[in-house]
This record gives sequence, structure tokens and C-alpha cells, in this order.
Amino acid sequence: AQSVAQPEDQVNVAEGNPLTVKCTYSVSGNPYLFWYVQYPNRGLQFLLKYITGDNLVKGSYGFEAEFNKSQTSFHLKKPSALVSDSALYFCAVRYFSGGYNKLIFGAGTRLAVHP
Amino acid sequence: DVKVTQSSRYLVKRTGEKVFLECVQDMDHENMFWYRQDPGLGLRLIYFSYDVKMKEKGDIPEGYSVSREKKERFSLILESASTNQTSMYLCASNPSGTYGYTFGSGTRLTVV
Repeated sequence: AQSVAQPEDQVNVAEGNPLTVKCTYSVSGNPYLFWYVQYPNRGLQFLLKYITGDNLVKGSYGFEAEFNKSQTSFHLKKPSALVSDSALYFCAVRYFSGGYNKLIFGAGTRLAVHP
Repeated sequence: DVKVTQSSRYLVKRTGEKVFLECVQDMDHENMFWYRQDPGLGLRLIYFSYDVKMKEKGDIPEGYSVSREKKERFSLILESASTNQTSMYLCASNPSGTYGYTFGSGTRLTVV
């Protein structure tokens, strides 16, 4: 069965330090992977995606993610965290079912960046 | 920028009421989706549509139905609202052949 796991409910980081938000997945075939961010009382905003090619993907707001096929992981990273990065982050994977492509989301990880 | 607009930001409805959640997108996207978001569960797909008058069940369709009479509008219907349908509802759209979704700001529904 297709699934996405975000093992941490919350990640706490000091401003200026590097951050990592973890994601692992299980999907048949080649994975199409995504990260979205949700700020309070807002919808989800697209951050970045991995479809094929270079395992290190760069996205919006200085975020990047590393695809690791052997570990089935797609961790989100940023070299220097900002207080404004505090938000809820969702990892997602596209899968094919019933003749259609769908996205399945992880449970979300709340990132708290402290001054 | 593509806009996905959900007509209500907050709704409070009574148990047993019929509830309509509306979603409109302005960029001629073929695909539209309804998710519900609950703490610790992430987003779960309720229904989706790949064309006008077309609908497909997602992972949790029970208690819901949808309508897509026009390409830009995708409505989620709670036939008889129940307290376990209290949640944040998110609409999304994307063009066929692409991968990223554009989400609306969400409707927080409370059923009392």
C-alpha cells in the first residue's frame, strides 16, 4: 500500500541553525515526491518536487530536499532557519490507483524556529 | 497567479443539516480535488474530478458527495452533517499532465 511517513510531530530549531524535516515513503514504481508548507489559517503552498534527475532538489524560500532511493526518504532541509519558517510542513507522494494519479500526504510536521 | 477560492472561511452547522462547500478556480484547470485535514492524520482525499460532470471517490468518500457542473466549480456536499465531519476542508486544482496542486485557503467546518 502507498504511504508517507513523517516521523516527527514537531521539530524545534534555533534561528540561524540548519533544519531537517524528515519524510519516508512507500510507493510502487518511481516516486514523484513533493513538499508543501501551510501557514496559520492558510491553504497549502507548494515548496518543491522531485520527479527525476538530480537527487538534490531546490525549491522556494531557500529550502531544498534530498531524494534517497535506497532509504526511500525525501528529507526537507534548509541551511539557516528563519523565525518566519515556522509553519506546518507536509510531504506527499504521487501514486497511480484506479486509473488515476493521486497525491497522498503525510501527517505533517510542525516546525518551530526560536529566536 | 492561479487562484482557488473557497467561498466560506468558517462555517458552523447543525447535525443533520445538508451542507454545501464551494470551490472555484480561475485558471481553466481540468483536475479538482477535495481533501479534509485533521491533526495527526494529514490530508485525506474525499473526492476528485478530472472533467466536467465527472467524479471519482477518494479514500474517505462516505458521507460526502460532489458536483461539477462547470469546469471552474467543484462543490462538496455533506448530505446529513455529523459531528465527526467537523474538520478543515481544502480544495485543490491542477492542469492535466502537471504535478503540483494549487490549494484554496480552506473552510473550517464545525458541526454541532
